Amino acid sequence: SAVISQKPSRDICQRGTSLTIQCQVDSQVTMMFWYRQQPGQSLTLIATANQGSEATYESGFVIDKFPISRPNLTFSTLTVSNLSPEDSSIYLCSALRGDRASIAKNIQYFGAGTRLSVL
Amino acid sequence: LAKTTQPISMDSYEGQEVNITCSHNNIATNDYITWYQQFPSQGPRFIIQGYKTKVTNEVASLFIPADRKSSTLSLPRVSLSDTAVYYCLVGSMYNQGGKLIFGQGTELSVKP
Repeated sequence: SAVISQKPSRDICQRGTSLTIQCQVDSQVTMMFWYRQQPGQSLTLIATANQGSEATYESGFVIDKFPISRPNLTFSTLTVSNLSPEDSSIYLCSALRGDRASIAKNIQYFGAGTRLSVL
Repeated sequence: LAKTTQPISMDSYEGQEVNITCSHNNIATNDYITWYQQFPSQGPRFIIQGYKTKVTNEVASLFIPADRKSSTLSLPRVSLSDTAVYYCLVGSMYNQGGKLIFGQGTELSVKP
């Protein structure tokens, strides 16, 4: 398995500010993803973090609101910009390891999540 | 993308076997069936995956009929610590390019 560390684990932010969440994997991975999970709800994919290029966003999510960086094969950041109370949620990153078996079966590993509250 | 349908919630008691069934009528030839478990305040954790027939590991068993239109996750002798949300996912790298599409999940509550 892969160990994924997310920072911060939780934060309380003011409306209009931004929060950057870091995701660090303990080994090189091929793909990294960012998800949002509203309280009591399932996970929704925000984007695929592409190494060395712009992230690929899902419908309903835009780069200006959720800029993502992935400078190398083990690290990615998600910024939630211009915060509003509607952004209060849990944000999770996941990673797909690079070994052939993991890629074929798409077995992913998740961080513990970042709980964001916007006042 | 194959859509999955599973019960929203289930209750059980310690020591019982729990079976959670997931329907996926539109499963594609290349798709795997994967189950994740999520505890409160944690990210989902992979527990088991199968393509057809039966798969068993140290945590659970996965039963898949020949038509693959459904699957059943079996948790033997559950304990209080098995209280979690269980997600059934259907897909493959070929069809979805790595994306995981989560349905609503089944909230399992194990009581003493």
